[in-house]
Amino acid sequence: AQSVTQLDSQVPVFEEAPVELRCNYSSSVSVYLFWYVQYPNQGLQLLLKYLSGSTLVKSINGFEAEFNKSQTSFHLRKPSVHISDTAEYFCAVSDRGAQKLVFGQGTRLTINP
Amino acid sequence: EPEVTQTPSHQVTQMGQEVILRCVPISNHLYFYWYRQILGQKVEFLVSFYNNEISEKSEIFDDQFSVERPDGSNFTLKIRSTKLEDSAMYFCASSEAGVMALHFGNGTRLTVT
Repeated sequence: AQSVTQLDSQVPVFEEAPVELRCNYSSSVSVYLFWYVQYPNQGLQLLLKYLSGSTLVKSINGFEAEFNKSQTSFHLRKPSVHISDTAEYFCAVSDRGAQKLVFGQGTRLTINP
Repeated sequence: EPEVTQTPSHQVTQMGQEVILRCVPISNHLYFYWYRQILGQKVEFLVSFYNNEISEKSEIFDDQFSVERPDGSNFTLKIRSTKLEDSAMYFCASSEAGVMALHFGNGTRLTVT
């Protein structure tokens, strides 16, 4: 069965510092991988995704994630965070051909000035 | 930008009562989903719906749950006889390309007393 583990439930960082949010998954088949972001009182928004091709994927607001098949990981990184990045971040996996996402438990990213 | 709309934002109901959660997906989308998040737990898949039928459902989605697309614009989740453990945030999502690009609503917080 698929599962997703986000090792850190909370990550506090200072503004302009780099950040890495960790995500590991388990699946027996080829997968799609996703990061979703949830700002306070809002729904989940797709941040970036890996479907195929280049293992490094990027979002428009400076986040990037790298698919590492050997380590079954899809860690999210940003070299310099901003106050507006404060949110909860969810990693998710889907088997190719399936119609459901399996989510991790989320990581709350808090940016301190 | 078009968005998925969910109503109400908060619903309180008594145990044993029927409740209907409503969603208006993005108009040209063909895939529809319900997920839920019990407080402090992971976002969990409930059901996916395509071509007017359920395409996949989880073990959570038992006989107490049903979905319907009654009029070509709304997508509803009905819980026939609510239990205390049904208290959660329920998210509707829609997509024009399956799981590869889900758009989530802001959620309905269901409280069963």
